[in-house]
Amino acid sequence: GENVEQHPSTLSVQEGDSAVIKCTYSDSASNYFPWYKQELGKRPQLIIDIRSNVGEKKDQRIAVTLNKTAKHFSLHITETQPEDSAVYFCAASWETSYDKVIFGPGTSLSVIP
Amino acid sequence: EAQVTQNPRYLITVTGKKLTVTCSQNMNHEYMSWYRQDPGLGLRQIYYSMNVEVTDKGDVPEGYKVSRKEKRNFPLILESPSPNQTSLYFCASSFFGTGRLGYTFGSGTRLTVV
Repeated sequence: GENVEQHPSTLSVQEGDSAVIKCTYSDSASNYFPWYKQELGKRPQLIIDIRSNVGEKKDQRIAVTLNKTAKHFSLHITETQPEDSAVYFCAASWETSYDKVIFGPGTSLSVIP
Repeated sequence: EAQVTQNPRYLITVTGKKLTVTCSQNMNHEYMSWYRQDPGLGLRQIYYSMNVEVTDKGDVPEGYKVSRKEKRNFPLILESPSPNQTSLYFCASSFFGTGRLGYTFGSGTRLTVV
């Protein structure tokens, strides 16, 4: 069945450094890829998304890239800050089949001051 | 304020005692879904609903029921809870399209079954 892999499962970076989280999806029909951030004890919140007709999208310090051929997409956070510490989930879904969003297992990011 | 409201936030119950977790959204979203979150497993979909009276199983539906009698409400029912249903549960909603505009999540329900 459909699957989303996510790496690494944990990531520690020094404040100010960059962080990269990578996801791979199995279904080539996937065409919508959101990223969610979940702070400790809180609900997941959408932080950025990308559609299959776009290769890259940026929003201030975060960016997402998509490689459709290789079926992978990545989250890039630059100039990390302690408030970036959270669990990040990637996900894949299908605009032509409005029934599922498949989440990756999550990456726990720690930004060390 | 646009939101998804789940109740209760915390629940401790005993094996076999039926319970319902409520979920309500005020954004007129067609699509609603329930997830459970367990360490190392991420978010796994239990059930989803594309509109009133339209529901379908997700990846881990065993032991759960749902109903969608009104557009705003999507309760999760555990008829006979067991300890392996101890988890953190999230309700989520979006406009039709599973998240073209992204999910809005509820604040979660931490369930413990003893």
